Amino acid sequence: EAGVTQSPTHLIKTRGQQATLRCSPISGHTSVYWYQQALGLGLQFLLWYDEGEERNRGNFPPRFSGRQFPNYSSELNVNALELEDSALYLCASSLARAYTIYFGEGSWLTVV
Amino acid sequence: DAKTTQPTSMDCAEGRAANLPCNHSTISGNEYVYWYRQIHSQGPQYIIHGLKNNETNEMASLIITEDRKSSTLILPHATLRDTAVYYCIVRVVAGGFKTIFGAGTRLFVKA
Repeated sequence: EAGVTQSPTHLIKTRGQQATLRCSPISGHTSVYWYQQALGLGLQFLLWYDEGEERNRGNFPPRFSGRQFPNYSSELNVNALELEDSALYLCASSLARAYTIYFGEGSWLTVV
Repeated sequence: DAKTTQPTSMDCAEGRAANLPCNHSTISGNEYVYWYRQIHSQGPQYIIHGLKNNETNEMASLIITEDRKSSTLILPHATLRDTAVYYCIVRVVAGGFKTIFGAGTRLFVKA
């Protein structure tokens, strides 16, 4: 069974540009979570989608946004990129909101 | 979600049991204890979770104290590949997984 898959693996953008990261959850999972992990730091909760709706978001500015599609895949958009947005972006999924979450391998975003 | 406290780092000899402690003194009755590990910037890997009773799976054992204020993750026979950052978190079951992961414990398994 395929795990959580994320694309692209690596992405380099210029400050001020927009980045789009994609996530496919484990088959049958309806909840998707996004986390940011800056180099050497812990995971910071970004967004939680469940059944197509945004259920919660962490302490991040509105230029971090996303959506969940009818097939439960998700994308994270980061607008007006800043240098400090450079990080590993991790997607996770769970069977439903009450279940264990499983992480993908992440997408490295570098802003130059 | 309750906060957890873990040692910054620990060493373990290969083949010996690794015992990783976690304090969660403000845990609520409906919060589960979860353990994940992250090997050098890969995605975190789920290890085990529990509510009250001790749990065991093919990877590890989880021992939760009777008052639920602390727990210990046990890797029975640590290998070099178990070198990783181990995160202990607590979460309410129905609340989604918006918990912030702390710094975790960096476990070094030495030959």
